[in-house]
Amino acid sequence: GAVVSQHPSWVICKSGTSVKIECRSLDFQATTMFWYRQFPKQSLMLMATSNEGSKATYEQGVEKDKFLINHASLTLSTLTVTSAHPEDSSFYICSASAPGVSEQYFGPGTRLTVT
Amino acid sequence: KNEVEQSPQNLTAQEGEFITINCSYSVGISALHWLQQHPGGGIVSLFMLSSGKKKHGRLIATINIQEKHSSLHITASHPRDSAVYICAVRSASGGSNYKLTFGKGTLLTVNP
Repeated sequence: GAVVSQHPSWVICKSGTSVKIECRSLDFQATTMFWYRQFPKQSLMLMATSNEGSKATYEQGVEKDKFLINHASLTLSTLTVTSAHPEDSSFYICSASAPGVSEQYFGPGTRLTVT
Repeated sequence: KNEVEQSPQNLTAQEGEFITINCSYSVGISALHWLQQHPGGGIVSLFMLSSGKKKHGRLIATINIQEKHSSLHITASHPRDSAVYICAVRSASGGSNYKLTFGKGTLLTVNP
């Protein structure tokens, strides 16, 4: 149980375009979802925390107008990278937690390459 | 200085060896996670612990809250254990959002 999926698993886009990444909890309701970014040989860095039905909380230094997060249902959160630039190329990972449960379940990640 | 420090950064072992990866942290925590990340990136949660010791198969995780230290042990290591092992902590003041702070990871390579 406790499976989190991400779609797509990898995406290549041109500079200036927008890309949407989906994170789904398949067998539980996720009241909280987290979005992370990981650059090569670096640790995961939290970008934002989203709670279902409310605005996401962004970490310092993360542009909320560039990284749009929507958590409209208990099983789906989306991250949209707007006006993507090559420096946005990274591995994006989501995780989800159920109400009252401190365990986080991680998605398989999405590798974004901006050309 | 990172709040979560792991050692070693890289570890190469021969199949069958006993492996230990260490994690030290500087803040009060409510829980500590050990994660495994395979090439390609997918992350699997191995353990979440707040005290004592947990065991799952060939993996053992221990934590000493007073010393702010945790270890992950792998017994009878196998090439399929090759991965990056990441320590992550949840601050004691994290509230209900369970925000994690991650170490940089330990790259383990087990040779046949």
